[in-house]
Amino acid sequence: KAGVTQTPRYLIKTRGQQVTLSCSPISGHRSVSWYQQTPGQGLQFLFEYFSETQRNKGNFPGRFSGRQFSNSRSEMNVSTLELGDSALYLCASSLDLGDTQYFGPGTRLTVL
Amino acid sequence: DAKTTQPTSMDCAEGRAANLPCNHSTISGNEYVYWYRQIHSQGPQYIIHGLKNNETNEMASLIITEDRKSSTLILPHATLRDTAVYYCIVSRRSGTASKLTFGTGTRLQVTL
Repeated sequence: KAGVTQTPRYLIKTRGQQVTLSCSPISGHRSVSWYQQTPGQGLQFLFEYFSETQRNKGNFPGRFSGRQFSNSRSEMNVSTLELGDSALYLCASSLDLGDTQYFGPGTRLTVL
Repeated sequence: DAKTTQPTSMDCAEGRAANLPCNHSTISGNEYVYWYRQIHSQGPQYIIHGLKNNETNEMASLIITEDRKSSTLILPHATLRDTAVYYCIVSRRSGTASKLTFGTGTRLQVTL
């Protein structure tokens, strides 16, 4: 069974732009979570989606948003990019809410 | 979710068992212990999880003390490919949320 896939793997943007990252969960998994990893703050939870609804949200500004589609695929969007948004963005899927999460390879975002 | 404490770094000789400790003295009765590892800049890889009984799978063994205040992840025959940051996480397997709270982990260096 294929793992979690994330696209693109690498991305370079400039300050003020916006970006959309995509995540395809493991087949059959209905819950998708997003995390941000930076050298300074480590791995931090962004939000979680299940049945196209945001179920849980971390402590990030409103510039960070996401959505989930009926096929469980998810996207996250960051608007008005700042230098500090440079990070590895990780997506994780689980069969159901509260189940074991399996991570994708991540998208490396660099903001110049 | 309960907080965990892990040593910052550990070394292990290749072929020997690697024993990674984790302290979670404030764990609640319905919280599980999860272990993930992250090899440089890749997505975290799920290793194993448990509630109160010892668990073993093809990757590792998890030993949880009777009072559940600490646990040990055992890699029975460490190889160079096991060099990674290992995260011990305590989380409820709740039907309402899947959020994982990552600490700083233990950096395991496996050497020849």
